Amino acid sequence: GQQVMQIPQYQHVQEGEDFTTYCNSSTTLSNIQWYKQRPGGHPVFLIQLVKSGEVKKQKRLTFQFGEAKKNSSLHITATQTTDVGTYFCAGPNTGTASKLTFGTGTRLQVTL
Amino acid sequence: DGGITQSPKYLFRKEGQNVTLSCEQNLNHDAMYWYRQDPGQGLRLIYYSQIVNDFQKGDIAEGYSVSREKKESFPLTVTSAQKNPTAFYLCASNIRDTNQPQHFGDGTRLSIL
Repeated sequence: GQQVMQIPQYQHVQEGEDFTTYCNSSTTLSNIQWYKQRPGGHPVFLIQLVKSGEVKKQKRLTFQFGEAKKNSSLHITATQTTDVGTYFCAGPNTGTASKLTFGTGTRLQVTL
Repeated sequence: DGGITQSPKYLFRKEGQNVTLSCEQNLNHDAMYWYRQDPGQGLRLIYYSQIVNDFQKGDIAEGYSVSREKKESFPLTVTSAQKNPTAFYLCASNIRDTNQPQHFGDGTRLSIL
């Protein structure tokens, strides 16, 4: 079945350092979505990428969709303590468009 | 405000007991989902429903049951057959057959007494 893997599983950075998480799918995706889950909270949608090679920015966050539409990345510049949480990528299931396969997640810890 | 409401926030189950987790949405979404999240893990799909009176098993449906009698409601029952039910349960919804993002409830934490 479809698998979506993320690396690293966990990263601990000092505030002000950059952070990147990588997402790889076993199948080509029509789009990729990114979610953030704060500790103790629920996943919250961040962004969706649709086009091959697409790059989108949200303030300090930069999202990229690979040319082959099988991988994606999220880069955070100059992390802040508010960035703490787990970041998930998710791709639509090949059989049911509205059903998502979530990645394994990357937990980010930021300390002062 | 539109959203998804899950209740209760915390739930304790005794051995051999069935418990039901509630999920209600007022977003007018056709599709609803139940996920299980274990500590430090990703989201695993238990059941999903694309339309009223219809639902499909996800990746880890054993020991769980659902119903979809109303568009707004998608309750999940954790049966006694689920031997390791301790987890964080998340309900989500979105527009059916689209690539629209999923909206999540606040979740229910289930523990065994």
